[in-house]
Amino acid sequence: DSGVTQTPKHLITATGQRVTLRCSPRSGDLSVYWYQQSLDQGLQFLIQYYNGEERAKGNILERFSAQQFPDLHSELNLSSLELGDSALYFCASTAGGNQETQYFGPGTRLLVL
Amino acid sequence: QQPVQSPQAVILREGEDAVINCSSSKALYSVHWYRQKHGEAPVFLMILLKGGEQKGHDKISASFNEKKQQSSLYLTASQLSYSGTYFCGTQPHGSGNTGKLIFGQGTTLQVKP
Repeated sequence: DSGVTQTPKHLITATGQRVTLRCSPRSGDLSVYWYQQSLDQGLQFLIQYYNGEERAKGNILERFSAQQFPDLHSELNLSSLELGDSALYFCASTAGGNQETQYFGPGTRLLVL
Repeated sequence: QQPVQSPQAVILREGEDAVINCSSSKALYSVHWYRQKHGEAPVFLMILLKGGEQKGHDKISASFNEKKQQSSLYLTASQLSYSGTYFCGTQPHGSGNTGKLIFGQGTTLQVKP
C-alpha cells in the first residue's frame, strides 16, 4: 500500500459525458502527478500540481483539467469523453522536490462506451 | 523524448538472469525503475541519481551511465514474483523544478517454473 488513494476504482460512462477522478496524496506530500495508461501506450504524464499550483503540464488534452485543493487532494476532470479516453488513470505523489520517488495510487479504470 | 527500452519482452526460467536496458536521447537527471503487474499500480524499485551510480535491492540492481544516457536493470536468480512489466522513468535535464517522469514503453518479463 503506497498511501496514495484514488476513487473511484472503476468508472463506466458514455461518450460525450464528463467524469471526475479523485486522488489523495500520501500524508505530508505536497506534489501530485497524474498519468494516463492506455492499452497501446505506456504511462503518459498529464499534469503536476504542487501545493495547489500547477507546476508542469504534459500532453494533456484541452478537454481535461485538474486542480489541487487546500487539503492537497487533487481532482482530474475529463469532459466530452471519447472512446479513446478509456484508460487507467494513475496519480502519484511526492513530498515536493524533483528527483524524488513517486508513489503511485491504485488507479481508476475508465471505460467509455 | 520517450526513452527506449529493450528488449520488449523476455521469458525466463526460475533462477535465470535478465538485463533490461533503457536509453534516452536526452541528458538525464535521474532514472526511476518500476514494476507493474497487470491492472495494478506501478511499484517503485529504485532511483538512480548520479552518473555511474549502481543500486541494489535483494537480487535486483541497476546502473546508470550518464555519458551514454543509459540505465540497465539487472535481475539475478529470477523468481516467479519477478513477472510483470518493467518501466524506466526518466527526468531529462531541463525539467527544471518539476518531477515529471517520461516513461519508456515497458519490458514484459515472464518467469516460468
